[in-house]
Amino acid sequence: DAGITQSPRYKITETGRQVTLMCHQTWSHSYMFWYRQDLGHGLRLIYYSAAADITDKGEVPDGYVVSRSKTENFPLTLESATRSQTSVYFCASSESRSGGKAKNIQYFGAGTRLSVL
Amino acid sequence: AQKITQTQPGMFVQEKEAVTLDCTYDTSDPSYGLFWYKQPSSGEMIFLIYQGSYDQQNATEGRYSLNFQKARKSANLVISASQLGDSAMYFCAMRENWSGNQFYFGTGTSLTVIP
Repeated sequence: DAGITQSPRYKITETGRQVTLMCHQTWSHSYMFWYRQDLGHGLRLIYYSAAADITDKGEVPDGYVVSRSKTENFPLTLESATRSQTSVYFCASSESRSGGKAKNIQYFGAGTRLSVL
Repeated sequence: AQKITQTQPGMFVQEKEAVTLDCTYDTSDPSYGLFWYKQPSSGEMIFLIYQGSYDQQNATEGRYSLNFQKARKSANLVISASQLGDSAMYFCAMRENWSGNQFYFGTGTSLTVIP
């Protein structure tokens, strides 16, 4: 019962470097999401995906790239990391966007703490 | 305008007492869902309770209940019989049907349960 896993859990990088955060879910959920969590802002949506090969921007997409070639994986790439991207990143998935309660619930990974020096 | 507003940055409650965490939301979509998540110091986000906009009754999940006042656009979380393990950050969130699956989170309320 792996659920949703993120890797790495911790990452330190330097400005200008490319960084990829991984997210894998075993539930075959259609929807996947990437958030960043910063003090005073709660969680903010970066990108989301409704299915394989379908992605869309969230509230704060600048500086990030996503892909989803397989239903179970949704990597997030920082093409050229900046200090302002130091944050905790959460991946989440949900079964659907409509229907009853169970299908709407988002389940979260444990998070990746990223520091950009 | 903020989609989700949590006005209580920090709250304290005595063990075994009930506590209410406030949440107001802003949407014109008639179809939406409201969620509460708990984030303990370990960092994971734990789903607590869900309320659909068309649900007639307030949602309950064990010691958690959601006081849903649609006209006031409020979705307060009530925790009954607080336990020390309830000390955590609590986030209110909303999912609109028409905004293409975007989830909006509040800034959270830090709850401390005092023995």
